Amino acid sequence: KNEVEQSPQNLTAQEGEFITINCSYSVGISALHWLQQHPGGGIVSLFMLSSGKKKHGRLIATINIQEKHSSLHITASHPRDSAVYICAVRYASGSRLTFGEGTQLTVNP
Amino acid sequence: GAVVSQHPSRVICKSGTSVKIECRSLDFQATTMFWYRQFPKQSLMLMATSNEGSKATYEQGVEKDKFLINHASLTLSTLTVTSAHPEDSSFYICSAEQTAGGSLEQYFGPGTRLTVT
Repeated sequence: KNEVEQSPQNLTAQEGEFITINCSYSVGISALHWLQQHPGGGIVSLFMLSSGKKKHGRLIATINIQEKHSSLHITASHPRDSAVYICAVRYASGSRLTFGEGTQLTVNP
Repeated sequence: GAVVSQHPSRVICKSGTSVKIECRSLDFQATTMFWYRQFPKQSLMLMATSNEGSKATYEQGVEKDKFLINHASLTLSTLTVTSAHPEDSSFYICSAEQTAGGSLEQYFGPGTRLTVT
């Protein structure tokens, strides 16, 4: 059982829809990352957060430390948002990351 | 944001040869870099943590003599796959840690696709 669980595993949406991807973890963390991986492999770090909410363009990330839960939202989704979105957490004891299994998002035109 | 590069982006080599992959932090100094391996449709698997000026720390099950890591400067870490075999074919990704303002932000390289024939 992965210590970091993402849902859903796969998500298909129509262009313009509001997207939510969820991430849950089991123990206290010092930071949580949301990453994006496009076909071809390159990984882009979208957010690093330890509390509250961050926004960048159409992307919003929230984290609830008490609930041990984070969400990544995409507003007005676009086919170019199609990618794998990965949640990764850093536990308080070190700097290594523990990764979720990823969510494959497909946005159809 | 900070930039991390990897070279080469793709490499094809023959079985038994060695391949070196470079990971560079372009606009910041990274005392710590991480090397990951990713199999198709799977998440990243940490192979080793590379610290500048000291020996790398390998994860359980990763052969240190097969995957040689050198972190000779604050902007460069190299991963050498020695005596490569087809089962070493994979996507290798590095990340570099920036300690700015007390936060530990990791920036990922674009990855290197290794194919061993």
